[in-house]
Amino acid sequence: SQQGEEDPQALSIQEGENATMNCSYKTSINNLQWYRQNSGRGLVHLILIRSNEREKHSGRLRVTLDTSKKSSSLLITASRAADTASYFCAITSVNDYKLSFGAGTTVTVRA
Amino acid sequence: DVKVTQSSRYLVKRTGEKVFLECVQDMDHENMFWYRQDPGLGLRLIYFSYDVKMKEKGDIPEGYSVSREKKERFSLILESASTNQTSMYLCASRPPGTGARGYTFGSGTRLTVV
Repeated sequence: SQQGEEDPQALSIQEGENATMNCSYKTSINNLQWYRQNSGRGLVHLILIRSNEREKHSGRLRVTLDTSKKSSSLLITASRAADTASYFCAITSVNDYKLSFGAGTTVTVRA
Repeated sequence: DVKVTQSSRYLVKRTGEKVFLECVQDMDHENMFWYRQDPGLGLRLIYFSYDVKMKEKGDIPEGYSVSREKKERFSLILESASTNQTSMYLCASRPPGTGARGYTFGSGTRLTVV
């Protein structure tokens, strides 16, 4: 079942700007993951944040997690044209180790 | 790096045909998954497998079956293809453990049923 819900559905920004997208979910989670998908390709794992973590960084990526609000955000700083892609959040529920994905946010970075 | 290889990038099949989608991973992962991806619906889990010869239904198993005869290979079978199975199919694998690991995805197979 689709557990993660991303917002916005689409985002268009200028190169060099920051991009922020949000994910909300409904159940108690074990962890939350973010993936990137370039057009027509498979998904690439970006970052995983555990339920007992509040923030995590990886290069230009910053992920926050608020389990009380059942939400997460992904921030891409200083965006580049190569960041143009769809971004998906996915959750692993407490009693279930399968990943459930949202519908994704499509990010377009304009040169 | 782990590689997950899906045998075909694009496939066109006729309604009623039996279709095999093959997926091979090279890192000895126990866990393998098949998803389909449709616009606006994200990825939906069809079947998964935690070990050889073991399979479990995901959220949308109807019209599909799977085979896992060897650890590295996980096949998705469309017993009698229908037009509503036109979709992007994505295979993934993950090392064993508590679920706190990212998945490695293949490049996907875009299947068109005519």
